This record gives sequence, C-alpha cells and structure tokens, in this order.
Amino acid sequence: DTGVSQNPRHKITKRGQNVTFRCDPISEHNRLYWYRQTLGQGPEFLTYFQNEAQLEKSRLLSDRFSAERPKGSFSTLEIQRTEQGDSAMYLCASSPSPLGEYQETQYFGPGTRLLVL
Amino acid sequence: ILNVEQSPQSLHVQEGDSTNFTCSFPSSNFYALHWYRWETAKSPEALFVMTLNGDEKKKGRISATLNTKEGYSYLYIKGSQPEDSATYLCALNSGGSNYKLTFGKGTLLTVNP
Repeated sequence: DTGVSQNPRHKITKRGQNVTFRCDPISEHNRLYWYRQTLGQGPEFLTYFQNEAQLEKSRLLSDRFSAERPKGSFSTLEIQRTEQGDSAMYLCASSPSPLGEYQETQYFGPGTRLLVL
Repeated sequence: ILNVEQSPQSLHVQEGDSTNFTCSFPSSNFYALHWYRWETAKSPEALFVMTLNGDEKKKGRISATLNTKEGYSYLYIKGSQPEDSATYLCALNSGGSNYKLTFGKGTLLTVNP
C-alpha cells in the first residue's frame, strides 16, 4: 500500500503524559498537513509543512504541541503534558505541489485516535 | 472564521434509494471545494475536487455539482448500496499560502439493506 500511513492507530494515555504520533506521507509528496477531529466536528487544520519547513501553525496548536518533519519525509506530532481535551482523532495528509495548488487533492491517512484518561 | 455547513447531519436510507446532501460555504472565499468519503476505521477517500461555477463531476453512482456564486455544492448518490454507508465531508480551500482545508461537520449516511 503506497498511501499515507499513521502510527499508532490508537493511543490511550493518562493525563500529564507525553505522546508522539508518526505520519509517513506518500513518497515524493512535498506538502504534509496535520488535522484534528474532535467529537461532532469536522477535521480542523493544525499545521503544515512544505518539505522540512513548518510554514504555518494554527492557534489550536498550543505550546504543548510540537511537530517536526526532518529531511522532508515522515513527520511526528508530539503532545506534552496531555490533557483530557486533547482526546481526538489526529489526521495526517500529504499532497504533491504541482501547478494549480488550490485544487490539488490532499491524501489522508487513517488517523491516530487519542484518548486521554 | 470560515463557516462550512453540511446538511443533513445524518441520513438513513433504504438500499436502492437515491439521496443527496448539501454543503454551503462563503462564496467570497472560494478557491476549490473538495468532497471526501470517510468509512469507519479507514482513511478519508477523496471523491471530487471542484473549482468552476457550474461544474459537475461524476464517479460511478456518485455525482456532485457546484454553485460558487451562491456558495453551495450538492452530492448525489444514485441507487444507494450498503457499502455507501460512510461520513461524507466537504472541505473548502479558501486560498492563502498554506492550502489548508476548512471542513464541514459531515453527513453520516447509513444505507439499510
């Protein structure tokens, strides 16, 4: 399967613990996005990478959140000192960067579902 | 804050029924509209990307139309099958340097055999 993969698929943690998620985008896709979906809502944008550069962070991304994309390949999203409000589905997506960027498809992974107890 | 609205929130139909959902968005912020199908425990699957007013796209029994002037898109499913059961999400690309998508809350479709 050459789609976007995410690990782990599920994570249960206790409040105050740190967690890290990984996203492997489609090979040669330059853009990588993280979104978060909470119960009853649509996915919401968190952050965006163009190759290894993190170009934008949403105000949803508090100081406890950090994302990296070393070497412009896989990406990690870390949440420090987790809170119950962090419980959500974390989705990763990737896209190429051809001409006509606003109509390019973002290809999503299956997500990591986080539950903070 | 952009508001992308989807209706209905959920829908139950019988196998063989045809159905449609609505996605509305602010027409002044339009660059592209995306439709996704998201089955439980799977990745959201891209259905259509629409950019032009009056655009119509079709994929098998699923089709979509776009009206950018009034700010809405319809998704139609003809002859629904149980495997069509999923959440259907629309997402607006409103320009800007980050190409982010602003999603609606989705329409949950259940097709009963």
